[in-house]
Amino acid sequence: EPEVTQTPSHQVTQMGQEVILRCVPISNHLYFYWYRQILGQKVEFLVSFYNNEISEKSEIFDDQFSVERPDGSNFTLKIRSTKLEDSAMYFCASIEIAVDNEQFFGPGTRLTVL
Amino acid sequence: SQQGEEDPQALSIQEGENATMNCSYKTSINNLQWYRQNSGRGLVHLILIRSNEREKHSGRLRVTLDTSKKSSSLLITASRAADTASYFCAIGGTSYGKLTFGQGTILTVHP
Repeated sequence: EPEVTQTPSHQVTQMGQEVILRCVPISNHLYFYWYRQILGQKVEFLVSFYNNEISEKSEIFDDQFSVERPDGSNFTLKIRSTKLEDSAMYFCASIEIAVDNEQFFGPGTRLTVL
Repeated sequence: SQQGEEDPQALSIQEGENATMNCSYKTSINNLQWYRQNSGRGLVHLILIRSNEREKHSGRLRVTLDTSKKSSSLLITASRAADTASYFCAIGGTSYGKLTFGQGTILTVHP
């Protein structure tokens, strides 16, 4: 069964460093999302992306964040200058535009900012 | 806010028993989706129910939706120890829009 994949599974970085989190959505999916989950808290929406542009973004998704679909398969989230509070599990999700719009999530990347 | 609020926050049952988790929300929805998350792991999609649907089944899972009460329930029948996980409802305000998650219900099934 097709799955959303994410790399790396765990990223440790120093505060102020740039990180790029990578996702490969399911191949025939057209809508892509990033969410994050700070330890012990609920899952929060960051951004949605369709047709090579941002559809919607949350207040969390400030100028430090950016998304890109550099080729036909990858979808990336970049954090330019990480802060301690960026430590979280980051999930990518995708939707096949169809009758039932289940969002399928990847396994997540655990980002630890030291 | 469309945020889903799950109830109870934690549920502990014996294997073979049924588990019922509830979700309430505040505004109109396009769909409501239920997910399972094992500790520290990814979100596994369980069921999507659309706003014009009242009940949906998938294996041992049954989801109901009452839009007049702005609530949904997830029933797991004949629970197994492997069902131990956190369960989240997620509100979809539009067809392809963001999902708004609640805090989740922690289900523990004792063998």
